[in-house]
Amino acid sequence: GDSVTQMEGPVTLSEEAFLTINCTYTATGYPSLFWYVQYPGEGLQLLLKATKADDKGSNKGFEATYRKETTSFHLEKGSVQVSDSAVYFCALSDRVTNAGKSTFGDGTTLTVKP
Amino acid sequence: GAVVSQHPSWVICKSGTSVKIECRSLDFQATTMFWYRQFPKQSLMLMATSNEGSKATYEQGVEKDKFLINHASLTLSTLTVTSAHPEDSSFYICSARDGSTSGNTIYFGEGSWLTVV
Repeated sequence: GDSVTQMEGPVTLSEEAFLTINCTYTATGYPSLFWYVQYPGEGLQLLLKATKADDKGSNKGFEATYRKETTSFHLEKGSVQVSDSAVYFCALSDRVTNAGKSTFGDGTTLTVKP
Repeated sequence: GAVVSQHPSWVICKSGTSVKIECRSLDFQATTMFWYRQFPKQSLMLMATSNEGSKATYEQGVEKDKFLINHASLTLSTLTVTSAHPEDSSFYICSARDGSTSGNTIYFGEGSWLTVV
């Protein structure tokens, strides 16, 4: 079945540091890939997505590129802020084989210190 | 703005009682909705797939008699936790599939925090 493997956390960075959170996936069909963010005490928010190979999703300074050859969708940000502290989930959704079910990674907790 | 709304956002109930959580698609018709559960510091796990006008499909290990799902209309699915116990305390979140878009876009609700005391 489909699976998502995320870089283990927690990750602690200083403000303005570079962020990378690794994500790799296994899917039998043609998945769309997502990064979601969950701030403390809140629900899930879509951060960015990519629907096909070589697409780059971007939002709020975060980027991730859909790499089919390495089955990866790593999240990056050039300069993190304290307000970026949250849990980040990588996820996939296969339109063909599971019609919208989402498979999530275990989440990576990011803490940014001033 | 939000296109999938969940209600209530927070609920506290007594052990042994039942609680209902609603998931509404606001701007589209959702023939399929999904219910997930997230325990503290864990990932989201799919509980069931809710199909409009038919029975929900439950994932392995999820008790269908305990977690009743009803998808009576194209914009509303409900999850009822029956005879709730403290171990049911969790974050429940739904998603809905907008089949009208070419990419079958998935939207998540804001989630509902359930505490059973």
